[in-house]
Amino acid sequence: DTGVSQDPRHKITKRGQNVTFRCDPISEHNRLYWYRQTLGQGPEFLTYFQNEAQLEKSRLLSDRFSAERPKGSFSTLEIQRTEQGDSAMYLCASSPRSHTDTQYFGPGTRLTVL
Amino acid sequence: GQQLNQSPQSMFIQEGEDVSMNCTSSSIFNTWLWYKQDPGEGPVLLIALYKAGELTSNGRLTAQFGITRKDSFLNISASIPSDVGIYFCAGPAGDTDKLIFGTGTRLQVFP
Repeated sequence: DTGVSQDPRHKITKRGQNVTFRCDPISEHNRLYWYRQTLGQGPEFLTYFQNEAQLEKSRLLSDRFSAERPKGSFSTLEIQRTEQGDSAMYLCASSPRSHTDTQYFGPGTRLTVL
Repeated sequence: GQQLNQSPQSMFIQEGEDVSMNCTSSSIFNTWLWYKQDPGEGPVLLIALYKAGELTSNGRLTAQFGITRKDSFLNISASIPSDVGIYFCAGPAGDTDKLIFGTGTRLQVFP
């Protein structure tokens, strides 16, 4: 039984560069979520998908952020023109049809913007 | 907006002791989730609760869904060193499935 996987686990980039993260959910889960977590805080919701449809986006998701789930399987989160304030752990989660609110998280991608 | 407050903020206990922590909200939740997070890792789901009054165990962990639906409790019995980490409660916000997380309880276990 494979869980949620994320790639890369760590990313260091310079301010102004674009970065892209990938998430592979648990295979039978149709919902996929992105969260951001800064040091000492709990995760904060960014956006989520049901199959390939993006159903909700948080106000935290500025125009520089875009997420896709083109075939309803894996998802990508892209940050354009990164800023130092984007440094955080980006977490992906997925949930099953039976309990869409019960989310299983991946190991996260730690982004550091220099 | 909805907020979840966890207490205590941190705990320092000796191996073998039992631990209790709780999570409270000013509004009703229909699901309560408890997660454990290790440094540099994602949260791991420990227990999910779906009904008011529900009591669920997972090994040495027991969690309860408060009758008022505004609180939940997590107990850890006979703590061991690998219980060290941050414990978060979480629940879906309003009618959506996006989770709101509590402030976290940091647990330290000394041998």
